[in-house]
Amino acid sequence: DVKVTQSSRYLVKRTGEKVFLECVQDMDHENMFWYRQDPGLGLRLIYFSYDVKMKEKGDIPEGYSVSREKKERFSLILESASTNQTSMYLCASRPRDRVVNTIYFGEGSWLTVV
Amino acid sequence: QKEVEQNSGPLSVPEGAIASLNCTYSDRVSQSFFWYRQYSGKSPELIMSIYSNGDKEDGRFTAQLNKASQYVSLLIRDSQPSDSATYLCAVNVGDYGGSQGNLIFGKGTKLSVKP
Repeated sequence: DVKVTQSSRYLVKRTGEKVFLECVQDMDHENMFWYRQDPGLGLRLIYFSYDVKMKEKGDIPEGYSVSREKKERFSLILESASTNQTSMYLCASRPRDRVVNTIYFGEGSWLTVV
Repeated sequence: QKEVEQNSGPLSVPEGAIASLNCTYSDRVSQSFFWYRQYSGKSPELIMSIYSNGDKEDGRFTAQLNKASQYVSLLIRDSQPSDSATYLCAVNVGDYGGSQGNLIFGKGTKLSVKP
């Protein structure tokens, strides 16, 4: 089974803190993604990466950065957390396979910024 | 802006009935379509994928795709209370230099199955 692991499930951070959300997948997938999910707004793509050290902006990259130093790990960084970044963050991965291109999600990280 | 539209619901059906969930999308060149189920407080889990026009059945679930109408649906037969969840429609858009693009998600339809 595909395993996408988000190391922190529940975090409470203060405004202005730097926050790291870590994600690891064990299926050698090339593509990895970070989404956030908010009531009424659905899932929105923050950043994605289709290879090591490669990254692309999604729909809402402002206030975030990412790091992909190793294939299995994709980190989301909030440089200076703000209250409007309180949300559920979902990491996902998918293989570079044009036949089976399902995306798999981690369990989510609930971030509260106070 | 590529979009995926779903009725937000809630859609309420009695136990044993057929639940019908609908989704339209704007990107005409999309080739891959997915339905995810999300229980409250949990992450989305894949229940169906469909790539060709027509129907695809998996147990109590049937996905239907009509690319000409840019329409995809999910039917749940013999609905159970455990099917109560939010169902997300997702469409693959774009293709970046050999990668497979991204999934754009609808906002989801909340389904409630009453015993």
